[in-house]
Amino acid sequence: GAGVSQSPSNKVTEKGKDVELRCDPISGHTALYWYRQRLGQGLEFLIYFQGNSAPDKSGLPSDRFSAERTGESVSTLTIQRTQQEDSAVYLCASSLFGSSYNEQFFGPGTRLTVL
Amino acid sequence: AQSVAQPEDQVNVAEGNPLTVKCTYSVSGNPYLFWYVQYPNRGLQFLLKYITGDNLVKGSYGFEAEFNKSQTSFHLKKPSALVSDSALYFCAVRAMDTGRRALTFGSGTRLQVQP
Repeated sequence: GAGVSQSPSNKVTEKGKDVELRCDPISGHTALYWYRQRLGQGLEFLIYFQGNSAPDKSGLPSDRFSAERTGESVSTLTIQRTQQEDSAVYLCASSLFGSSYNEQFFGPGTRLTVL
Repeated sequence: AQSVAQPEDQVNVAEGNPLTVKCTYSVSGNPYLFWYVQYPNRGLQFLLKYITGDNLVKGSYGFEAEFNKSQTSFHLKKPSALVSDSALYFCAVRAMDTGRRALTFGSGTRLQVQP
């Protein structure tokens, strides 16, 4: 496809379960970002990947959150032992390079609900 | 640290009237500034960006924004609003030379254009 895709679009889970969210960036984009958007709030940075460089994990809220990226393609965001405060829309974005001025292209998001 | 303030949670304007959505920022050094729009049940879409040069930036769908360094502002404007412009608008910033690659977003402003 032409855009960033994310799966699943919706995920409902029980407190304490692990979840895995997937992002397929635009082909050829070397930079990939994960954000979290809580209801009625702005986007909160989670993690950034650029090529083979070490990821910028400075936005991850706790050690229950982790993410991986295979080369310059798919990324997965894993949340272990989910809590109700993890409920949010998780957005993935990619950009052509990691340069500051390149605009980011966003996927539709995964809406996570933790019961 | 970098931050963005969008002082208005909601802006209401009549169709055909000019609109302004306000944004101020704080960043070390020179900024890169962005506006994104989020339509219901859709991902964020890039509208425009300021990198350098002309302070008035033109973007998609007839939107423009003016960079004002002395006031640290980057207000979004459109001369004549359309009902279809109704959406959630986010301003974002990152420092040109330092800091994390990911964007820092404002909390968003909901634009409601009345017919």
